[in-house]
Amino acid sequence: DIQMTQSPSTLSASVGDRVTITCRASQSIDSWLAWYQHKPGTAPKVLIYKASSLESGVPSRFSGSGSETEFTLTISSLQPEDFATYYCQQSYSTPRTFGGGTKVEIK
Amino acid sequence: EVQVVQSGVEVKKPGESLKISCQASGYRFSSYWIGWVRQMPGKGLEWMGMIYPVDSDTRYSPSFQGQVTISADKSIRTAYLQWSSLKASDTAMYYCASEDGDNFVRYWGQGTLVTVSS
Repeated sequence: DIQMTQSPSTLSASVGDRVTITCRASQSIDSWLAWYQHKPGTAPKVLIYKASSLESGVPSRFSGSGSETEFTLTISSLQPEDFATYYCQQSYSTPRTFGGGTKVEIK
Repeated sequence: EVQVVQSGVEVKKPGESLKISCQASGYRFSSYWIGWVRQMPGKGLEWMGMIYPVDSDTRYSPSFQGQVTISADKSIRTAYLQWSSLKASDTAMYYCASEDGDNFVRYWGQGTLVTVSS
């Protein structure tokens, strides 16, 4: 199985900060990577797919980059509604696998 | 309008069986893989397995192989997750997750909370 490693596991930031989350795959997954935002009591929501494609309706402050084994999710200017847990997930092969998650907290 | 609606909260005892469901509408249900995702209390998302409704091709994550059964009935656009003998450690929120043609989950169910306690 492909292992996905996210860092950091927790991130404290202020409104307006630029935030970067990293995801590493244990083998090349080309660009088959998605980023999800998850808030308590709600279903996860896709932000980015195929490493860098912004899902329709998602604010442009979210961006994704990377390929093969190294990926990043960047929030250019953190907004109050962005405090949540973020997960990467590979869809290069089955079983699909998620990273461990990054909780973005208010500083 | 796309809707993915899961069955409701379940409270069961250890050793009991359970089958939860996920019914989709508003998109081509049979054309995409449908997966199940577990979130245990205070933990992250775990991919359990997935099914392709057209031919019922099913793939399980190793941790869940033999522990659950995933099935689907394409005629009623519904996927299922089933346990034959629940354990307390099965207590979790379970999400239904429908992939898009680009292999990411575009459509999520609202989640089904399963509590297993004696």
